[in-house]
Amino acid sequence: DVKVTQSSRYLVKRTGEKVFLECVQDMDHENMFWYRQDPGLGLRLIYFSYDVKMKEKGDIPEGYSVSREKKERFSLILESASTNQTSMYLCASSTSWNQPQHFGDGTRLSIL
Amino acid sequence: QQQVKQSPQSLIVQKGGISIINCAYENTAFDYFPWYQQFPGKGPALLIAIRPDVSEKKEGRFTISFNKSAKQFSLHIMDSQPGDSATYFCAASRRNLIFGKGTKLSVKP
Repeated sequence: DVKVTQSSRYLVKRTGEKVFLECVQDMDHENMFWYRQDPGLGLRLIYFSYDVKMKEKGDIPEGYSVSREKKERFSLILESASTNQTSMYLCASSTSWNQPQHFGDGTRLSIL
Repeated sequence: QQQVKQSPQSLIVQKGGISIINCAYENTAFDYFPWYQQFPGKGPALLIAIRPDVSEKKEGRFTISFNKSAKQFSLHIMDSQPGDSATYFCAASRRNLIFGKGTKLSVKP
């Protein structure tokens, strides 16, 4: 079974802090994704990566960056956290395009 | 053109009934249409998916109906059970997934 592990289930940070969210997958998947999930808005793609050191912006990349130094690990970085970034963050991976995405259980991030 | 419109936002069904969730899209380049199921505190999990070369796909109690000319697809849950209570997301993809906003399904015993 594919396992996507997000390092924290809950995280509380202060406005202006630099925040790192970590995600690891164990199935040698090429593609990895970061989404945020907000009530009534569904899942929105922040960034994705289709190879090590490769990244592309999704629909809502402003205020975020990502890092993929190893194939199994994809990090989401909030450069200077703001209260409007309080959300559920979901990481996913897939073998390639148009293949099932496997999700982690999410990190609920609160910015105070 | 990138949107996927999902309805209804919420749905209450009696045990044993049929749950129906609908989605519509605009981009005719989409070629992969999955449905995801999400329980509270968990990430979404793939439930069933269809590609546009077929009009229907069935897996157990779950069926996707796909209407290419109308650019619509729907999820039918037959004999709905309380354990089906969850949030369901449709999605469409050419490269990256575009998700609908979700339907919260409650199945009453």
